[in-house]
Amino acid sequence: SAVISQKPSRDICQRGTSLTIQCQVDSQVTMMFWYRQQPGQSLTLIATANQGSEATYESGFVIDKFPISRPNLTFSTLTVSNMSPEDSSIYLCSVEDLSKFGYTFGSGTRLTVV
Amino acid sequence: GESVGLHLPTLSVQEGDNSIINCAYSNSASDYFIWYKQESGKGPQFIIDIRSNMDKRQGQRVTVLLNKTVKHLSLQIAATQPGDSAVYFCAETALGGGTSYGKLTFGQGTILTVHP
Repeated sequence: SAVISQKPSRDICQRGTSLTIQCQVDSQVTMMFWYRQQPGQSLTLIATANQGSEATYESGFVIDKFPISRPNLTFSTLTVSNMSPEDSSIYLCSVEDLSKFGYTFGSGTRLTVV
Repeated sequence: GESVGLHLPTLSVQEGDNSIINCAYSNSASDYFIWYKQESGKGPQFIIDIRSNMDKRQGQRVTVLLNKTVKHLSLQIAATQPGDSAVYFCAETALGGGTSYGKLTFGQGTILTVHP
C-alpha cells in the first residue's frame, strides 16, 4: 500500500504565524485529502487537494486560512495561516490507495498554537 | 459524521473477550465503509472495509457487519488483545461518483481498552 511521509510530525507555534505541512507519497496518487482532528475528537475533512487546479474546500474551511498546493501526483502542502489557539489540532494527509482499495493516512502533524 | 464532543464512548474488555464496536452512519447514499484503528500519536490505520452490496465481511480476527436498513455498522474483534487498545473510527463515503467521491465522513470514535 501507499506510504505517506508527513512533516513536521509536531510543532509548537506562536499565534499569528503560519505553518506549512508537507505530505509526500511514495507513489503517484490521483486523490489526496487533508483532514483535521481536534483534541479528543473525530476527523473532519478540510479539502481535496487537486493536481493542477485549486483545492476543493469543505464547508467551514476557506482557502485564505488553509491554502493548499498540489504541484504533482506525489506531493501536497497544507498551510495553516494566521494561527490562533483554536487551530491546535492534528492535521492529517490521506490518499486514495488503489493497491488495496481504501484510504491511507499519514501519521499526522500535531500542532499546538500558544 | 461530524464529531460530537470531547468525550468519546468507551469500551473496556478483558483480554481474550470478544469486542463489539458500533457505529451509526448518516448518509443513505454512502456505499463504502471503512473501520480505522488509531493509536496514540499515530494516524488512522485501515482495519477492514465493506461495500454496500454486502452485509458481512471477515478478516483476521475482525468482522464487519452492515445493516443498511437502519444505517448501522459494527466491528467485531475476536479474542481481544492488549495491543487492540486504541480509538476505533468508522468512516463512510460514496464511490458512486459525483462531488462526494472519496470524501470520508468519520463517526465520533470509540475508545477500546483491553485489560490483561
